[in-house]
Amino acid sequence: DTAVSQTPKYLVTQMGNDKSIKCEQNLGHDTMYWYKQDSKKFLKIMFSYNNKELIINETVPNRFSPKSPDKAHLNLHINSLELGDSAVYFCASSQGQRGRDFFGQGTRLTVV
Amino acid sequence: GESVGLHLPTLSVQEGDNSIINCAYSNSASDYFIWYKQESGKGPQFIIDIRSNMDKRQGQRVTVLLNKTVKHLSLQIAATQPGDSAVYFCAENTGGFKTIFGAGTRLFVKA
Repeated sequence: DTAVSQTPKYLVTQMGNDKSIKCEQNLGHDTMYWYKQDSKKFLKIMFSYNNKELIINETVPNRFSPKSPDKAHLNLHINSLELGDSAVYFCASSQGQRGRDFFGQGTRLTVV
Repeated sequence: GESVGLHLPTLSVQEGDNSIINCAYSNSASDYFIWYKQESGKGPQFIIDIRSNMDKRQGQRVTVLLNKTVKHLSLQIAATQPGDSAVYFCAENTGGFKTIFGAGTRLFVKA
């Protein structure tokens, strides 16, 4: 069983489009995250959610809107996609605010 | 500001040798440190962690050392194997649902 699963794995889309990435974890964790990894492998946190509530928004543009319908799911919707949004997006979960993160396989987003 | 950085972006070692990956952090308030391994096409995977009340922790073939005086963290991999080839990240956590990752070191293992 996959602990943290995100879909799709690859996403190619044109500038200006709106797209969503879905994430689910079956670990029973209460905290979920979205990270962005750029072409130089730099990994930066975007959002943290705890018990479905937004805890951290790391100055991410408003075009990015996370949604957590329940503790096991954290989806990411992106409006008006830009070339600079091209990256690998990782969903992760942890138990509490200091637990180690369990990562999904990543979604490679390419905006053309 | 907050930052976690690595001294060596790329490390090449011979199979069977020991590897040491270093990391510097700047936030004195960080009290939990983690090393992750990321293989190509996959998400980062937990290797080992250490809390600030310890200075050394050992796992299977891996050891993490923490020097709070100079804010330095290292990962030692014993008898490095080809399967250890990956990008390694150190990360720090101060609580508050936020983990800060370092820039990453790519480890190449030569057969």
